[in-house]
Amino acid sequence: DAGITQSPRHKVTETGTPVTLRCHQTENHRYMYWYRQDPGHGLRLIHYSYGVKDTDKGEVSDGYSVSRSKTEDFLLTLESATSSQTSVYFCAISDRGGAATQYFGPGTRLTVL
Amino acid sequence: GQQLNQSPQSMFIQEGEDVSMNCTSSSIFNTWLWYKQEPGEGPVLLIALYKAGELTSNGRLTAQFGITRKDSFLNISASIPSDVGIYFCAGPLRGGGSQGNLIFGKGTKLSVKP
Repeated sequence: DAGITQSPRHKVTETGTPVTLRCHQTENHRYMYWYRQDPGHGLRLIHYSYGVKDTDKGEVSDGYSVSRSKTEDFLLTLESATSSQTSVYFCAISDRGGAATQYFGPGTRLTVL
Repeated sequence: GQQLNQSPQSMFIQEGEDVSMNCTSSSIFNTWLWYKQEPGEGPVLLIALYKAGELTSNGRLTAQFGITRKDSFLNISASIPSDVGIYFCAGPLRGGGSQGNLIFGKGTKLSVKP
């Protein structure tokens, strides 16, 4: 298994509060991704990173920001959580671009009340 | 926009039966990936396909890259209870391929009755 951890694994928060999810990898992979998974929608890309301090938006980036100050860490921040952001969040890593294999973390289940 | 359509959405089968599922797109793909997700876990790559017509096996799983490059198929032979999960197809997101961005189908949920 690829060395990917996500923290926290579960979180319950209230509407309007800031939330930060962390993805940590030990594989030294260049590319990192944040997805959300919702019933009926599958996996949708939120943001991705193609190197330290290099990030870009994905399909559903509104309301989310990311940062990558080190190769091994990719942070996803919800500046002001809303109930529509209740979801399961997955981090993924890849050692190269071009539709290469992505390895997924175990996920974080976030509930916004 | 770009979409991957998976069918069926769900399957309920008896242990020992063979399973077939597919993934189609209105646009051409140069890579097809098949992932499996078990409850409470992240998706795990099963098979990757890189060439039209390619047929690749991984144990009891066989996947094919359609010759039109707009579809892919996954077959599971002699299903067992641990095959339970959601199976996703994925391919390069148009315009995001150089960064490895993928688009995923909505999944086929497989249930196996012992």
